[in-house]
Amino acid sequence: DQQVKQNSPSLSVQEGRISILNCDYTNSMFDYFLWYKKYPAEGPTFLISISSIKDKNEDGRFTVFLNKSAKHLSLHIVPSQPGDSAVYFCAATLRGQNFVFGPGTRLSVLP
Amino acid sequence: DAGITQSPRHKVTETGTPVTLRCHQTENHRYMYWYRQDPGHGLRLIHYSYGVKDTDKGEVSDGYSVSRSKTEDFLLTLESATSSQTSVYFCAISEGGAWETQYFGPGTRLLVL
Repeated sequence: DQQVKQNSPSLSVQEGRISILNCDYTNSMFDYFLWYKKYPAEGPTFLISISSIKDKNEDGRFTVFLNKSAKHLSLHIVPSQPGDSAVYFCAATLRGQNFVFGPGTRLSVLP
Repeated sequence: DAGITQSPRHKVTETGTPVTLRCHQTENHRYMYWYRQDPGHGLRLIHYSYGVKDTDKGEVSDGYSVSRSKTEDFLLTLESATSSQTSVYFCAISEGGAWETQYFGPGTRLLVL
């Protein structure tokens, strides 16, 4: 049973609009959540994170929201750019031990 | 970028042959990890290490072994490769501890014929 789920395998968004990527988790003990971006033939690169004691974290165009009661987090990208087209992985961890990854969402930003 | 290299970057091998993948870091991070990435599964943990000679199994460890004789090197061995081990393999590192981030290498694409 997947502990971290990304139920949308793909998402298409127009350039300049908002992209919202969603992630759900089952283990309420997770205390740190991360988003990674992956381009083809490259390793995942760290994008943004949030600890369980916060409900929002911003870094430039990227904002992550955490709703602990719903065990849900989302990544907002505003405005979306063609260079944001990639696969996005959500990950969760407890005390920096094993990192559990979702299956990924492929984002396509259309010019 | 975190100093993580993987070798080889691409490999084609035959069923039944042994294969060793190498991960090298220059960050002196305590934790090192091996993942495989397959369509629909995201990144799945194979093995990880929390120090020299200290390793543990992950979610999909069957058919794989690891060794870590130096802080900077983490080896993944497929003792007898099978077609189901065709995948992209990623090494990752982290400091360990709460709220630490994991950083990934560029990956090794392995094809087992």
